[in-house]
Amino acid sequence: GQNIDQPTEMTATEGAIVQINCTYQTSGFNGLFWYQQHAGEAPTFLSYNVLDGLEEKGRFSSFLSRSKGYSYLLLKELQMKDSASYLCAVGDSWGKLQFGAGTQVVVTP
Amino acid sequence: DVKVTQSSRYLVKRTGEKVFLECVQDMDHENMFWYRQDPGLGLRLIYFSYDVKMKEKGDIPEGYSVSREKKERFSLILESASTNQTSMYLCASSSIRGSGRRNTQYFGPGTRLTVL
Repeated sequence: GQNIDQPTEMTATEGAIVQINCTYQTSGFNGLFWYQQHAGEAPTFLSYNVLDGLEEKGRFSSFLSRSKGYSYLLLKELQMKDSASYLCAVGDSWGKLQFGAGTQVVVTP
Repeated sequence: DVKVTQSSRYLVKRTGEKVFLECVQDMDHENMFWYRQDPGLGLRLIYFSYDVKMKEKGDIPEGYSVSREKKERFSLILESASTNQTSMYLCASSSIRGSGRRNTQYFGPGTRLTVL
């Protein structure tokens, strides 16, 4: 099985940078996914990492270290619309995803 | 764009009723999933399906069953609803099993079910 840990909540100011950490212990690993979920809405796909290193996509970047069982999602130049829950998920070879409980990011003016 | 739709956004049922939640995807995806989402617990997998008429139990299948008669449609059934099944139910689909990035799951808008 999988054990996935991420902080419950983080608060940051508009324009700042926030880093959301995710640690995992797995019996199988086939990629790490990050999703964004606004209140009352469905999760939407943000990023995917399967190799070690940093993947950059605009204001959002995701990092993976497989040997450490560690990933982070970096949100730069925070905007009010970035207030949401961010979900870390680990994929297995069967196509299933195991999700962490999510990190609620609160962006303040 | 992938589109996953669910039959209802909000549903209120009484204890003991049989409840059907429907999910339809329009991208010819092989894999479909049903999750429930509760505060502090995150998304938990109830059932999934890799193909028509195939189903596999997820982490919390008790009290639920599923049906997949057509590739695009995956139904979740609560045979006898109970108050502890009050939750947000999310359906998702993905293209191919075990293929890394193609395991990206696309979610429907969710059904908030209240059982009284």
